[in-house]
Amino acid sequence: GIQVEQSPPDLILQEGANSTLRCNFSDSVNNLQWFHQNPWGQLINLFYIPSGTKQNGRLSATTVATERYSLLYISSSQTTDSGVYFCAVEYYGDNDMRFGAGTRLTVKP
Amino acid sequence: DSGVTQTPKHLITATGQRVTLRCSPRSGDLSVYWYQQSLDQGLQFLIQYYNGEERAKGNILERFSAQQFPDLHSELNLSSLELGDSALYFCASSVAQGSSYNEQFFGPGTRLTVL
Repeated sequence: GIQVEQSPPDLILQEGANSTLRCNFSDSVNNLQWFHQNPWGQLINLFYIPSGTKQNGRLSATTVATERYSLLYISSSQTTDSGVYFCAVEYYGDNDMRFGAGTRLTVKP
Repeated sequence: DSGVTQTPKHLITATGQRVTLRCSPRSGDLSVYWYQQSLDQGLQFLIQYYNGEERAKGNILERFSAQQFPDLHSELNLSSLELGDSALYFCASSVAQGSSYNEQFFGPGTRLTVL
């Protein structure tokens, strides 16, 4: 079946460390987004990135569509980066976004 | 702030009851999506509307229904509620459906608790 797999499921970092989160998908995508769900439950858009590379401050993302994966990089992590990071994809021919199970990030001071 | 609004923020009700969740999309967005986030099922797509018409259905129960009104706001109706319906319900909106650009923006969610 069509899958969206995220790794690692959990990540604990010390403040200031860097990290890489991975999202694997199983088919060609029309849309891929990364979200951060904060402790209050809000889903915050990080990147719209069906292909290529984007950067926004300490965060950057790369999607290699031909190899069916996307990476989210967090540099110099801060405690406010804690939360769950979701990758979501829209496959060609679909009208819905399919979410991965998320990576729970905890940044310790 | 994504520009998508949802009301109410919290809802506590009893089994067997019916509730209505409301969503207003970002200005200019024609597509509205509903998602359910529960502890055991994760984030799941329920249903999509585009300019007032239903366009896609996901894992939506028959007890649930939705509609999009001429002013583009949408309502999700949940009836005969069960304990397992307790979840966070998100609305999202995007500019268009089926276009090459379809970034979705999420509202703050409605947390439903069924007792």
